[in-house]
Amino acid sequence: ELKVEQNPLFLSMQEGKNYTIYCNYSTTSDRLYWYRQDPGKSLESLFVLLSNGAVKQEGRLMASLDTKARLSTLHITAAVHDLSATYFCAVDMLPNAGNNRKLIWGLGTSLAVNP
Amino acid sequence: DTEVTQTPKHLVMGMTNKKSLKCEQHMGHRAMYWYKQKAKKPPELMFVYSYEKLSINESVPSRFSPECPNSSLLNLHLHALQPEDSALYLCASSQVVGTYYEQYFGPGTRLTVT
Repeated sequence: ELKVEQNPLFLSMQEGKNYTIYCNYSTTSDRLYWYRQDPGKSLESLFVLLSNGAVKQEGRLMASLDTKARLSTLHITAAVHDLSATYFCAVDMLPNAGNNRKLIWGLGTSLAVNP
Repeated sequence: DTEVTQTPKHLVMGMTNKKSLKCEQHMGHRAMYWYKQKAKKPPELMFVYSYEKLSINESVPSRFSPECPNSSLLNLHLHALQPEDSALYLCASSQVVGTYYEQYFGPGTRLTVT
């Protein structure tokens, strides 16, 4: 059974600092997604990582995928208050799941960026 | 257009009511999803439709009844709900064919069962 673990689950950061959120998963997969959710709002897709070594960057966020280590990281550079939100990683099941494939979600990392 | 729309935004219903949630997308996606999300938790998959056919039912109680009238529309019919069913209900869609599987989420319906 595929399991996805995120850490930390809560993160309080100071503006201007750097930090990394980790997403580990338990079985082989080559597709990983990062989503952002603001309080009371829906989920916004941030990154889609489709292969080993994939790295994507958008503004102060950079995501990477190491399929051999079964690990993805979401790195935050020089945090600003606007980044305060909950960040979820989600891993796609193996391709042979066919029509039964679905996303397995981490518990989310609640990020608060303080002045 | 990468928008998924959902109506209503908020819904309050009694345990004996019947109501429906609606979802629409015009991206040509052939997979559509219903999720339930409780506060501070990840979304929980409820149903998946692939090419208008139900492909996944995550053992959801029968008081929730999905319907996919066509490739753009997805409904969730609600009947005799319980207070613990109060949650944010999210609809999503994605391409089915090929390796691109990103799900686009709608704004959600905040459901309160009294």
